[in-house]
Amino acid sequence: SQQGEEDPQALSIQEGENATMNCSYKTSINNLQWYRQNSGRGLVHLILIRSNEREKHSGRLRVTLDTSKKSSSLLITASRAADTASYFCATDTGRRALTFGSGTRLQVQP
Amino acid sequence: DGGITQSPKYLFRKEGQNVTLSCEQNLNHDAMYWYRQDPGQGLRLIYYSQIVNDFQKGDIAEGYSVSREKKESFPLTVTSAQKNPTAFYLCASRIFLDNTEAFFGQGTRLTVV
Repeated sequence: SQQGEEDPQALSIQEGENATMNCSYKTSINNLQWYRQNSGRGLVHLILIRSNEREKHSGRLRVTLDTSKKSSSLLITASRAADTASYFCATDTGRRALTFGSGTRLQVQP
Repeated sequence: DGGITQSPKYLFRKEGQNVTLSCEQNLNHDAMYWYRQDPGQGLRLIYYSQIVNDFQKGDIAEGYSVSREKKESFPLTVTSAQKNPTAFYLCASRIFLDNTEAFFGQGTRLTVV
């Protein structure tokens, strides 16, 4: 079952612009994580936000979490062509495995 | 150099054959996972294991089998009962504690010929 759903499914922007991706989920969580996947490769962890946190930063990444709305957003500022990838949110309920959403495909045009 | 290794990178299977995908980690992680990814889709959980000699079915376990005889190894067998096995398979591991990240292998692309 897909716990998280990302929006939009695809996003195309110019280099230097900001990219915002949203994730909605259905059940209570311990934390929410964002991962990046380059085409044909494995996933790489970007950032983890706990259920009692509202915002977290890491370099050019900013993640927010609203547990009342069961939603999260990932903001990539000053995007670069190298940011082109698929981005997935994953929810952790502490009961078994991470549950992944369907992903957002980001294309950054140089 | 710590990490999680999947092999082979590409695998071709004839219809009716069983094939085994390898996943090895030297991160000393307790938990290991297998996910399936279809083109343009998210990851779906096949099986997971939180401790040696124990594993649990995920959301799409039918047609797959696993074993966990050693902490560092979690092989996945795609059996002939899996009717549509062509996909990208990802193995992951993590420390079995709250609020930890998962580490992924580079994946195995399985194609039925």
